[in-house]
Amino acid sequence: AAGVIQSPRHLIKEKRETATLKCYPIPRHDTVYWYQQGPGQDPQFLISFYEKMQSDKGSIPDRFSAQQFSDYHSELNMSSLELGDSALYFCASTRRLAGVQNQETQYFGPGTRLLVL
Amino acid sequence: QKEVEQNSGPLSVPEGAIASLNCTYSDRGSQSFFWYRQYSGKSPELIMSIYSNGDKEDGRFTAQLNKASQYVSLLIRDSQPSDSATYLCAVKGGGGFKTIFGAGTRLFVKA
Repeated sequence: AAGVIQSPRHLIKEKRETATLKCYPIPRHDTVYWYQQGPGQDPQFLISFYEKMQSDKGSIPDRFSAQQFSDYHSELNMSSLELGDSALYFCASTRRLAGVQNQETQYFGPGTRLLVL
Repeated sequence: QKEVEQNSGPLSVPEGAIASLNCTYSDRGSQSFFWYRQYSGKSPELIMSIYSNGDKEDGRFTAQLNKASQYVSLLIRDSQPSDSATYLCAVKGGGGFKTIFGAGTRLFVKA
């Protein structure tokens, strides 16, 4: 079965540079979530999109922005990178269930490991 | 107080034993509860989901939910060394898209 695809899998950047992470959800999934997971930390929710509109916002820095495109893929844009941005960035996707709110299972992609030097 | 609390462990059990993982949450409006398994450097993988009070069994795994006590647990029977991983409790509230993860419990199953 098709899974969530993330690219790139690994990324090395220097401070103050920009980075763009891409997420391709499972076919027919309409909701995308972005998480940041630092070493030894739990995944921190950043932002989510449903039907190409931002649906919820978590602890996403102002230096980051994201969007979901017409084909449902999503991109996380990170500017003015800091050393502390080094982490695993996961994308998860789900398909909203009509009439059964909040019971959708999130399927996680393999993650993008970002290292900021 | 964190919104989702887990004992960080590590929890060490012998092979074949029952591993018991616990999680408490603060938002009484929470509706959906998930257990994920995460191997080091890998993405979280869903083990169980539970939405109503009581027990839910799937193979060697049993999830237990008590909304009155704001408590959810995961039991792993006949633990195997391959079960050694970090287990993340995740909670989703009413009306929103946000899922809050606990810090995870590291489980070691000794052969």
